[in-house]
Amino acid sequence: EVQLVESGGGLVEPGGSLRLSCAASGFTFSNAWMSWVRQAPGKGLEWVGRIKSKTDGGTTDYAAPVKGRFTISRDDSTNTLYLQMDSLKTEDTAVYYCSPHYCTSTTCYNYFEYWGQGTLVTVSS
Amino acid sequence: DIQMTQSPSTLSASVGDRVTITCRASQSISSWLAWYQQKPGKAPKLLIYKASTLESGVPSRFSGSGSGTEFTLTISSLQPDDSATYYCQQYNTYLTFGGGTKVEIK
Repeated sequence: EVQLVESGGGLVEPGGSLRLSCAASGFTFSNAWMSWVRQAPGKGLEWVGRIKSKTDGGTTDYAAPVKGRFTISRDDSTNTLYLQMDSLKTEDTAVYYCSPHYCTSTTCYNYFEYWGQGTLVTVSS
Repeated sequence: DIQMTQSPSTLSASVGDRVTITCRASQSISSWLAWYQQKPGKAPKLLIYKASTLESGVPSRFSGSGSGTEFTLTISSLQPDDSATYYCQQYNTYLTFGGGTKVEIK
C-alpha cells in the first residue's frame, strides 16, 4: 500500500524558512519522480515543483512563483522527499502535498495516482 | 505556460442528473489531461487520465472525452457521493491545474 506522510508544516513569519518532509513507502521511491503540490485556503491546486529519479538525472523543475526560493531534494536511502522553503511570503500559505508521478516501466508522466494527507504552512506575522 | 480554464465554476444538480464539466487549454495538449475529485479536507483523487481512461476503481458513471484544447468530464447519473470539487490538469508541458468546478447536490 502506498503511503505518503508529509510533516514539518507550521507558522512562520514572512521572510522566514521552513523545511517540509514527505516519508514515502509502498513503492520503489528511488525510481519515482516526485512533486509537491499546494493548495491555498479555499483555493485551487497549484504545482510547486518536481524532482526526477537519479536514474533520469535527478533534475528539478519549479513553478514560477517559487523558483529561486524553494528547493526540492530527496534521500533515496530513507525514502524521504524534502521541500526547503526560503524567503517565505504570505501568499505561500497553503496545504502542501507530496505525490509520486505515475510511471510505467519505461516512462513517467506528470500526473498523480497517490497523494499524501498534506501539511499546512501558514506565513503570517 | 499552458493555462487551463474550467467551466462552470459551480453547478447545482439533482441526484440522477447528467452533469458535464468543461476544461479548455490555452494551446493544444493532445490527450494529456487528467481529472481529479476533491472533497473538503481531503487530498485529490485521480478519476481519469489521458483524457478518457478511467482510473481503476472509479465508478463507470464518470467519463472523460476530448483532445487538443477542449475536454469534458461527464457524470452520467449524479449520486450524493459525487458532491465535490473537480479539477482538470494538463501534463503536456510540465503541469497546470484548472481552477476547479464545485458540484453541489440540489
